[in-house]
Amino acid sequence: GAGVSQTPSNKVTEKGKYVELRCDPISGHTALYWYRQSLGQGPEFLIYFQGTGAADDSGLPNDRFFAVRPEGSVSTLKIQRTERGDSAVYLCASSLRDPPGELFFGEGSRLTVL
Amino acid sequence: GQQLNQSPQSMFIQEGEDVSMNCTSSSIFNTWLWYKQEPGEGPVLLIALYKAGELTSNGRLTAQFGITRKDSFLNISASIPSDVGIYFCAGTMDSNYQLIWGAGTKLIIKP
Repeated sequence: GAGVSQTPSNKVTEKGKYVELRCDPISGHTALYWYRQSLGQGPEFLIYFQGTGAADDSGLPNDRFFAVRPEGSVSTLKIQRTERGDSAVYLCASSLRDPPGELFFGEGSRLTVL
Repeated sequence: GQQLNQSPQSMFIQEGEDVSMNCTSSSIFNTWLWYKQEPGEGPVLLIALYKAGELTSNGRLTAQFGITRKDSFLNISASIPSDVGIYFCAGTMDSNYQLIWGAGTKLIIKP
């Protein structure tokens, strides 16, 4: 498809488990962002990739969270030892150019940690 | 934490009414953006503003970048049922590319 694709759309896991969330950005978009959105809130920045490198990972809440983008296209957000507080919708967005803000978002991956 | 104050939190309006919402901050922003999010979807960009005083329209939507660079508003004229959703303002400060988001304005249209 032409848009940002995220999988899975829904993930239910148990506390302590490992989770991977995948994002396939719009073809040709060099910038890729991960956000986390809790109910009733705006998205919260997690990490920004420009190409293959993480240009800014200051939004990752702790070292249980990690993201990669090995070939500058698809990205995977990895969460280790999940906690109930990690439950949220994880949004991926991509953009073609600066300035930021003209982001194209996927539909999100809803993570529920029981 | 969020540095944008978005109001109102929710709006109940009749179809055909005009709508106005705004975002304010104590900090100066370089970019203001307005997004709309519907249930189960990611936010969709409506309008992007890059200069203080800029007034931009997108169909029935009009947004302005405040002169002080600390606020922005979004107006929707003659609302229709498909306008329902949550509208978010977002912006960037200094040269930072990180978007800072408001908490959203939920628009509900009364039948």
